[in-house]
Amino acid sequence: GENVEQHPSTLSVQEGDSAVIKCTYSDSASNYFPWYKQELGKRPQLIIDIRSNVGEKKDQRIAVTLNKTAKHFSLHITETQPEDSAVYFCAAPSRAGGGADGLTFGKGTHLIIQP
Amino acid sequence: KAGVTQTPRYLIKTRGQQVTLSCSPISGHRSVSWYQQTPGQGLQFLFEYFSETQRNKGNFPGRFSGRQFSNSRSEMNVSTLELGDSALYLCASSIAGAEYEQYFGPGTRLTVT
Repeated sequence: GENVEQHPSTLSVQEGDSAVIKCTYSDSASNYFPWYKQELGKRPQLIIDIRSNVGEKKDQRIAVTLNKTAKHFSLHITETQPEDSAVYFCAAPSRAGGGADGLTFGKGTHLIIQP
Repeated sequence: KAGVTQTPRYLIKTRGQQVTLSCSPISGHRSVSWYQQTPGQGLQFLFEYFSETQRNKGNFPGRFSGRQFSNSRSEMNVSTLELGDSALYLCASSIAGAEYEQYFGPGTRLTVT
């Protein structure tokens, strides 16, 4: 099955600076990589995703990059704001090629935006 | 569209009891997946249902089971509760053909004493 590793576990940045969270995956056949944001006491929210046929995807201040050769993908948040403080999870399909095995999640990154 | 809903939101049970949690997916979503979230293990896949059939199951004991109804609503059941079952149980729904694009409900916080 898939193995997803996420770094760092905690990231503290000054408001207005950029934040980068990195994940690696093990199954070279994986083709879908979502990122979730979970605020304290709330549900994980899908904020951006990328499929293996593209290398980068942007949505306003957030972007995701994918390096299939190295089997890693990263979340980039620019011009960070206090409301970006949350735990971020990356994920990949538990078993590539089929839709029924759920997602394997990284352990999460606690992003802290310092005022 | 209304989001994924889960009931109840909070539950306190005693060891040895059983519990049933409910999930209503987004309208039109026929796939429902269940996850367990704990501080130590993170988010772990329990099982997934589509058209009333369990298509796959994660690495959890047989005490964890579920079902799906014809309206796509799903329930999960945990029997003979253990202290270690204390967790946030999340369900997520997705449309057919995009099962990995999952939208989560608010979760049920289960505390076993």
